Amino acid sequence: AQSVTQLDSQVPVFEEAPVELRCNYSSSVSVYLFWYVQYPNQGLQLLLKYLSGSTLVESINGFEAEFNKSQTSFHLRKPSVHISDTAEYFCAVTHSNYQLIWGAGTKLIIKP
Amino acid sequence: DTGVSQDPRHKITKRGQNVTFRCDPISEHNRLYWYRQTLGQGPEFLTYFQNEAQLEKSRLLSDRFSAERPKGSFSTLEIQRTEQGDSAMYLCASSLVVHEQYFGPGTRLTVT
Repeated sequence: AQSVTQLDSQVPVFEEAPVELRCNYSSSVSVYLFWYVQYPNQGLQLLLKYLSGSTLVESINGFEAEFNKSQTSFHLRKPSVHISDTAEYFCAVTHSNYQLIWGAGTKLIIKP
Repeated sequence: DTGVSQDPRHKITKRGQNVTFRCDPISEHNRLYWYRQTLGQGPEFLTYFQNEAQLEKSRLLSDRFSAERPKGSFSTLEIQRTEQGDSAMYLCASSLVVHEQYFGPGTRLTVT
């Protein structure tokens, strides 16, 4: 069975500092990997995804994630965070065409 | 394109009552998904439709839960004889491309 672990429930970081949100997964088959973001009082939005090809994927707002098959990880990074990045971030995996398996989420708290 | 909409946004009901939620997907999307999210957890998959066919149901979906998608457009999720443990956020998502799900804002159910 697949599972997703987000090791940190909250990550506080100062504005303009770098951040890494960790995601590890377990699966016996090849997977597709996703990061979703949920801003306060809004629905989940797809941030970025890895389906195949380059293991480094980027979003339009400066986040990137790297698929590491040997470590079964898909950590999310940003070199310099902004107050507008305050949100909850969810890592998800699937090997099927419909069922996403989700981590518990990491709240990114930006300190001024 | 107005995105995925869900109605109502909030529902408070007494234990034992029936409730029904509605999801309107993005118009050209043929795939529709229901998830449930409790506080501090990531979403849990409930069920999946491709057009009007319900192709998969999670074991989480007890016989008190039923979902429909008549004519392959909007979908309803009904919970009969609600229990306090049903209190959660119910999320709907739709997709055209298999691995890119767009989420609605959710319906928050509180069972008293």
